[in-house]
Amino acid sequence: GAVVSQHPSWVICKSGTSVKIECRSLDFQATTMFWYRQFPKQSLMLMATSNEGSKATYEQGVEKDKFLINHASLTLSTLTVTSAHPEDSSFYICSARSQPSGTTDTQYFGPGTRLTVL
Amino acid sequence: GENVEQHPSTLSVQEGDSAVIKCTYSDSASNYFPWYKQELGKGPQLIIDIRSNVGEKKDQRIAVTLNKTAKHFSLHITETQPEDSAVYFCAASKSSGGYQKVTFGIGTKLQVIP
Repeated sequence: GAVVSQHPSWVICKSGTSVKIECRSLDFQATTMFWYRQFPKQSLMLMATSNEGSKATYEQGVEKDKFLINHASLTLSTLTVTSAHPEDSSFYICSARSQPSGTTDTQYFGPGTRLTVL
Repeated sequence: GENVEQHPSTLSVQEGDSAVIKCTYSDSASNYFPWYKQELGKGPQLIIDIRSNVGEKKDQRIAVTLNKTAKHFSLHITETQPEDSAVYFCAASKSSGGYQKVTFGIGTKLQVIP
């Protein structure tokens, strides 16, 4: 159980275009989903936290207009990188949590999406 | 905020030997400590976790210990196998503003030499 999928797994786009990444919890309802960014040989950096039906909470230094997050249902969250530039190239990973907010619980990670902006 | 330090950053062991990775955290309010294994090009996979009301947990060849007083926790892998080679992340988690905030360590690249 607790499987999280991401789509696409790999995307190449031209500078200036927008890219949407989907994150789905396949066998559980995710009240909260998280989006991380990971640079090569580095740890995971939390970008934002999204709760179903409400606006995402962004970490300091993350541009909310650049990285649009939508958590429209209990099984789907999307991250849209708007007007992507080469510096946005990275490995984007989502995670999902099934327990109500405020409780200690486990995050299950998706397989990640490799974004390359030319 | 929380600060999680992890060491070593790289670790090489012979197949069959044990591997130990250590982490420290700064926020005494952290109450949940998961460990993740990340293989190249993939997302992190939870391998074991421990909560603050437990001192030790074991799952086959993997064990985790927690010392709340000293604010450190460790991952122990016994009888290592080549497929254990990966990057391992520790994390510390606590409830914050109504949701669980997780802080990751920098990762340890484990290489098991056949």
